[in-house]
Amino acid sequence: EVQLVQSGAEVKKPGESLKISCKASGYIFTTYWIAWVRQMPGKGLEWMGIIYPADSDTRYSPSFQGQVTISADKSISTASLQWSSLKASDTAMYYCARGRRTTVVTDFDPWGQGTLVTVSS
Amino acid sequence: QSVLTQPPSVSGAPGQRVTISCTGSSSNIGAGYDVHWYQQLPGTAPKLLIYDNTNRPSGVPDRFSGSKSGTSASLAISGLQAEDEADYYCQSYDNSLSGLFGGGTKLTV
Repeated sequence: EVQLVQSGAEVKKPGESLKISCKASGYIFTTYWIAWVRQMPGKGLEWMGIIYPADSDTRYSPSFQGQVTISADKSISTASLQWSSLKASDTAMYYCARGRRTTVVTDFDPWGQGTLVTVSS
Repeated sequence: QSVLTQPPSVSGAPGQRVTISCTGSSSNIGAGYDVHWYQQLPGTAPKLLIYDNTNRPSGVPDRFSGSKSGTSASLAISGLQAEDEADYYCQSYDNSLSGLFGGGTKLTV
């Protein structure tokens, strides 16, 4: 069974750094793109960026370029999303999702369960 | 504001049929990129509902159907059931190969 399991909820203060993870299982990790999607409280889905674990080719949405860093570690089949300096506006649920196709233009299935990030002083 | 426009809400009685539109432009849907649809039940992660405009993953009831024409796409749900009450999102790409989601539509049954 293809599965993405995300790390647990985080509570951080503004200015702190954070790295959340998405561990893949049930398929060859390097074969499919993995995307990160933000959902702010009560709001819709926002495509943040996508990574190809085989060579770490990464594409960012213009809205998120420079704001976050997406990475992948092939040795542990895990993709990550990190911030160097969190803001209160980063408070949201973050989902990872695997591309259903092996191309960068793809739909997403399955999705991780989500990681809730709360940033508050 | 999302580049892909969806109605904020739709509603229908059990057994009825509803449609949800997703309107883009010549630089995304109109450029030939496929449209995909996701269902997000309250408190859960999104789930793929329709891929490549018209195709259902295994396990998705045939009450759900999708279509695409020009710069728009639609999701139709027939024989509405209470369990269909959820948020629905369309997804596509633009010419910069950046992913796009619609703003989401809340379905009330």
